[in-house]
Amino acid sequence: AQSVTQLDSHVSVSEGTPVLLRCNYSSSYSPSLFWYVQHPNKGLQLLLKYTSAATLVKGINGFEAEFKKSETSFHLTKPSAHMSDAAEYFCVVIRTYKYIFGTGTRLKVLA
Amino acid sequence: DSGVTQTPKHLITATGQRVTLRCSPRSGDLSVYWYQQSLDQGLQFLIQYYNGEERAKGNILERFSAQQFPDLHSELNLSSLELGDSALYFCASSVDRGGEETQYFGPGTRLLVL
Repeated sequence: AQSVTQLDSHVSVSEGTPVLLRCNYSSSYSPSLFWYVQHPNKGLQLLLKYTSAATLVKGINGFEAEFKKSETSFHLTKPSAHMSDAAEYFCVVIRTYKYIFGTGTRLKVLA
Repeated sequence: DSGVTQTPKHLITATGQRVTLRCSPRSGDLSVYWYQQSLDQGLQFLIQYYNGEERAKGNILERFSAQQFPDLHSELNLSSLELGDSALYFCASSVDRGGEETQYFGPGTRLLVL
């Protein structure tokens, strides 16, 4: 069954340094994958989605993710972190038309 | 702002009580989804309605029920509340039946059961 694993529950980076949030998926076929962000006391906002068109997906706010079938990964990256990026990030896979969420990665950005 | 609205924002109630959470989808969206977010269970899918009909069910307790009305707004009813039902409840909507579609999330209703 499709699932996602977010390898880090917490990530801390300094402002201006790169961000890497890791997600591995488990699927018997090429899945649809999403990254959502949840800022404190807010709902979830879509950052980007992969639906087998292009392996490198660009999202909002400078984020991008690369689908690597050989590694079953869909890691989220950003070249330079901003303070406003501090939030919780969720990797999502679709299983029988339902969203299955990873456990989330809390990103802390240090000044 | 996603265009999905949820009321109330916060709800405090006692064990054994019943509450109703309300969700209005984005204009034109036919599907509504309900999710529960808690510290121990994470984000879990509860139920989906499409154009008034139940389409998919997740980890929804029998004490919980939902419906979608002709104007497409949805209500999630939680009864015989327990302390463990304290959580953030999200509603999301999408244009069609679901699957690969993007879901747009509301701001959530924070439920505290005392």
